[in-house]
Amino acid sequence: SQELEQSPQSLIVQEGKNLTINCTSSKTLYGLYWYKQKYGEGLIFLMMLQKGGEEKSHEKITAKLDEKKQQSSLHITASQPSHAGIYLCGLFSAGGTSYGKLTFGQGTILTVHP
Amino acid sequence: DGGITQSPKYLFRKEGQNVTLSCEQNLNHDAMYWYRQDPGQGLRLIYYSQIVNDFQKGDIAEGYSVSREKKESFPLTVTSAQKNPTAFYLCASSPRTASNEKLFFGSGTQLSVL
Repeated sequence: SQELEQSPQSLIVQEGKNLTINCTSSKTLYGLYWYKQKYGEGLIFLMMLQKGGEEKSHEKITAKLDEKKQQSSLHITASQPSHAGIYLCGLFSAGGTSYGKLTFGQGTILTVHP
Repeated sequence: DGGITQSPKYLFRKEGQNVTLSCEQNLNHDAMYWYRQDPGQGLRLIYYSQIVNDFQKGDIAEGYSVSREKKESFPLTVTSAQKNPTAFYLCASSPRTASNEKLFFGSGTQLSVL
């Protein structure tokens, strides 16, 4: 089973609309990362969250970490075509023989129509 | 410029052939990672290395091999035992293995089977 589950798997919105992507972990969240990818390219770092209740923003993108729910949400305000791409959350494993692993969710494909 | 270089951008493999994907970084990072990405899916961890001359299997290591003889280099060999090698391969590095260190990604190699 997947350690990280993202929802929705794909999202189509009209330019200017707000949207939210969720990432739920089956393990304790020691470090939760958000990356963006253009198809066929590498990943671009967006944000990293480490503490419960932590919230970070970069331009029109805000990410929050709910430690109790083992969940993070990524919110985009007033979406633009430049926000289109694949959004991935990543989880750092701090336990036992898995220490150092950074695993990712299956990604959310975002399409923004002008 | 500092960064991670993956080569080649596109690679074709004949049946029964081993192929090696190159990953070089000049960021002086200790940790390096290899991921596989299939269309419409997230990243799956193949191998990772926390220091020189040491590496660990990820979630899908079968049919792959790696070496870490130099700090800056972490080549991935796709062996003939990997029956479904067609995928996009991403290499990444981080300063050290810790929950507060972000990964820097290369631009990827697309491997296809002839």
